[in-house]
Amino acid sequence: GAGVSQSPSNKVTEKGKDVELRCDPISGHTALYWYRQSLGQGLEFLIYFQGNSAPDKSGLPSDRFSAERTGGSVSTLTIQRTQQEDSAVYLCASSLGQGASYEQYFGPGTRLTVT
Amino acid sequence: AQSVAQPEDQVNVAEGNPLTVKCTYSVSGNPYLFWYVQYPNRGLQFLLKYITGDNLVKGSYGFEAEFNKSQTSFHLKKPSALVSDSALYFCAVRDPRDSGAGSYQLTFGKGTKLSVIP
Repeated sequence: GAGVSQSPSNKVTEKGKDVELRCDPISGHTALYWYRQSLGQGLEFLIYFQGNSAPDKSGLPSDRFSAERTGGSVSTLTIQRTQQEDSAVYLCASSLGQGASYEQYFGPGTRLTVT
Repeated sequence: AQSVAQPEDQVNVAEGNPLTVKCTYSVSGNPYLFWYVQYPNRGLQFLLKYITGDNLVKGSYGFEAEFNKSQTSFHLKKPSALVSDSALYFCAVRDPRDSGAGSYQLTFGKGTKLSVIP
């Protein structure tokens, strides 16, 4: 079946612009996660959704970052007023449930470059 | 708080030889442990997990991992390495007892680059 998809695959933007990153989870997966992967920081957790609600926003690095999920499916991560330090690969993952034993399935990521 | 350490940034192994990628963890309770692999310019792919039961876990592509509670380790192994196994490998942990804000996230190690030499 179809895996997690993300778009765009690459995004180059100028400092100060807003960007939107999209994630389509695996059909039927109720839990959705956003992570950021950068050379210096490894994999960082950003936010978690169960259905349309986000009980854990603890990883969002600043108030310039926000995310939403609609219809219990597609999620959008928005970064306002982008900074060069936002350059990274943004990974989305989904899992069948929220329990700790469920493995997460990752999308290919969006590579964001802020110039 | 939970943490994962992958002590080796890079592992080199000759094709056909056994490989081991090391992982140690720290959690307050019994851990749930995962291994993922990342090929260049691709997302992470799930390899295997340990939840409970047999300490030796078998996963995709001939990989296996052994949970050792006394040594707090979960090393990834394969009896005979292939050139196509060359990739970045991540160990991750979740603490199922953690009901706080971090309970839903996977905590990842920094990754180990595996190079299999023909």
